[in-house]
Amino acid sequence: QVQLVESGGGLVRPGGSLRLSCTASGFALSDYYMSWIRQAPGKGLEWLSYLGSSGTIRYYADSVRGRFTISRDVANNSLFLQMNNLRAEDTAVYYCARVSLMATIIYYFDYWGQGTLVTVSS
Amino acid sequence: DIQMTQSPSSLSASVGDRVTITCRASQSISNYLNWYQQIPGKAPKLLIYAASTLQSGVPARFSGSGSGTDFTLTISSLQPGDFAIYYCQQTYSTWTFGQGTKVEIK
Repeated sequence: QVQLVESGGGLVRPGGSLRLSCTASGFALSDYYMSWIRQAPGKGLEWLSYLGSSGTIRYYADSVRGRFTISRDVANNSLFLQMNNLRAEDTAVYYCARVSLMATIIYYFDYWGQGTLVTVSS
Repeated sequence: DIQMTQSPSSLSASVGDRVTITCRASQSISNYLNWYQQIPGKAPKLLIYAASTLQSGVPARFSGSGSGTDFTLTISSLQPGDFAIYYCQQTYSTWTFGQGTKVEIK
């Protein structure tokens, strides 16, 4: 069955860096778009980034563009989020999600990981 | 960016009630609209995609409708496991979520 497991969260100081991982099983990353979404404590969901199935198409929300980088390792079926220059407002639970398509144009997140907590604080 | 506004922000209802949540887009998004359910402390779960298509395994008491800018999620008969936060999401352009609607027990 499809499973997504995030790791790599933790406590980091403002200005620091962190790399999150999302290990997928039950499907091949190379067959799907993948995405990162976060949720600040007590707040709603914020979409951050997606990576196309080819591995070449990337898109970012304005809030993280230039600081975060999405990538993957097909051999290990893992998705990554490199986060640099972290700020207090980046404190959140970070989720990876598989993106499926309807009629080749309508995207939706059909599987989510359990999330990993990132805390940015001095 | 396209803004998604949900109403109400919260509601109180009883088991067996019919519940309707509205999501409005700041511009037309055709039917590029999804709904998710999140139980606090858990990951979101897909309920409906493309405005009205029920995700496999989701009970038929959940339904979605709408197109353009106005969408609704309806729970025909609220069950104990349905008390949660519901989010709409548009994937027409620079994917964004609504702010969420919390469904609480009356």
